[in-house]
Amino acid sequence: DVQLVESGGGLVKPGGSLRLSCATSGFTFSSYGLNWVRQAPGMGLEWVSSISGSGSDIYYADSVKGRFTISRDNAKNSLYLQMKSLRAEDTAIYYCARDLSGYDPGDFDYWGQGTLVTVSS
Amino acid sequence: DIQMTQSPSSLSASVGDRVSFTCRASQSISSYLNWYQQKPGKAPRLLIYAASTLQSGVPSRFSGTGSGTDFTLTISSLQPEDFATYYCQQSYRAPPWTFGLGTKVEIK
Repeated sequence: DVQLVESGGGLVKPGGSLRLSCATSGFTFSSYGLNWVRQAPGMGLEWVSSISGSGSDIYYADSVKGRFTISRDNAKNSLYLQMKSLRAEDTAIYYCARDLSGYDPGDFDYWGQGTLVTVSS
Repeated sequence: DIQMTQSPSSLSASVGDRVSFTCRASQSISSYLNWYQQKPGKAPRLLIYAASTLQSGVPSRFSGTGSGTDFTLTISSLQPEDFATYYCQQSYRAPPWTFGLGTKVEIK
């Protein structure tokens, strides 16, 4: 079975940093693009960042560009999100999500359970 | 960026009802439209991709139609487990991928 399990969330002060991880299993990791999608409390879904299977194609939402860095380790079947200069508006549940196909990104078929990031003094 | 507008924002319905709600894109997105279901405290679940293709394991009472800018999700006979929030999302060309604000389906 395909599984994605996020970790690394927590409480951090404004301006601080945090690194999220997403451990995966049940599929050929390097064949699929992966994504981070977040959801602020009581709000809708916001796409944050994407990385292709090889890691060569990377995209960010304007709201996080220059502050967040997505990466992947195909040897460890893991996805990461390094977050810096965190703001209150980054407070959200962060989900990792897999692309449905390896060649047509943007359709998210498997999701993790999410990890909560709270930015507050 | 492509804006996605869902309507209504919420609706009340009874078990067995046929319900439909819509999603409109700010520009043509061909058929690059996905629908997700989210229940409280849970991750979203992909229901339909490419506007009308049912994801594996999703009941056939769910169906999607549309292309271009206007899309519809229909539940042919609402079941107790279908009370949730439904989001549309466009995956046209390159990111940013954008979601609508959701339609919450509540019990009448």
